[in-house]
Amino acid sequence: SQTIHQWPATLVQPVGSPLSLECTVEGTSNPNLYWYRQAAGRGLQLLFYSIGIDQISSEVPQNLSASRPQDRQFILSSKKLLLSDSGFYLCAWGRGRHTDTQYFGPGTRLTVL
Amino acid sequence: AQKITQTQPGMFVQEKEAVTLDCTYDTSDPSYGLFWYKQPSSGEMIFLIYQGSYDQQNATEGRYSLNFQKARKSANLVISASQLGDSAMYFCAMREAWYSSASKIIFGSGTRLSIRP
Repeated sequence: SQTIHQWPATLVQPVGSPLSLECTVEGTSNPNLYWYRQAAGRGLQLLFYSIGIDQISSEVPQNLSASRPQDRQFILSSKKLLLSDSGFYLCAWGRGRHTDTQYFGPGTRLTVL
Repeated sequence: AQKITQTQPGMFVQEKEAVTLDCTYDTSDPSYGLFWYKQPSSGEMIFLIYQGSYDQQNATEGRYSLNFQKARKSANLVISASQLGDSAMYFCAMREAWYSSASKIIFGSGTRLSIRP
């Protein structure tokens, strides 16, 4: 069966510091991968998605970036965090077919102070 | 324009009662998929149920059913015999452009459901 991991689970970072969140998927190959952000009490905002290694599409221009160095690894980064980057970051994988859902990781709760 | 609308920010329901969570959507694509997810306080997103735009019957999964009214562009989630563990945020979502390998799921703003004992 497929599993998706995210780490760290929680993170407190000062403004201006760098960020690296990691997501890995097990039990499948060539998945579509997604990064979402959820502000407190809000819905999900799609940040990036990837249909293959080094194929990244950005949905929202901001100071975040994403990379996919391996088939089942998806990394969310920032060189300098802003207060507005605080939120709950969810990684998801899916197949891209219209009948397929996305399966989410446990999430990373990021607080920028 | 907002594509997924959930008009109920919060709901309170008595345990064992049925509850309907509203969702309307907007798309010009004839082929699309509709999803419901549950997000408990732990934060994980749990897939509940799926309905395809060409499906003739409403989807059901245990106590969950999706009341799909295509002409009204409505995809309400019905939970029968609610339980305390159903207290959570519920998100309606839609996938368009199914023919594209990069098709994405977009989410509504959610409804917070609270079950009273």
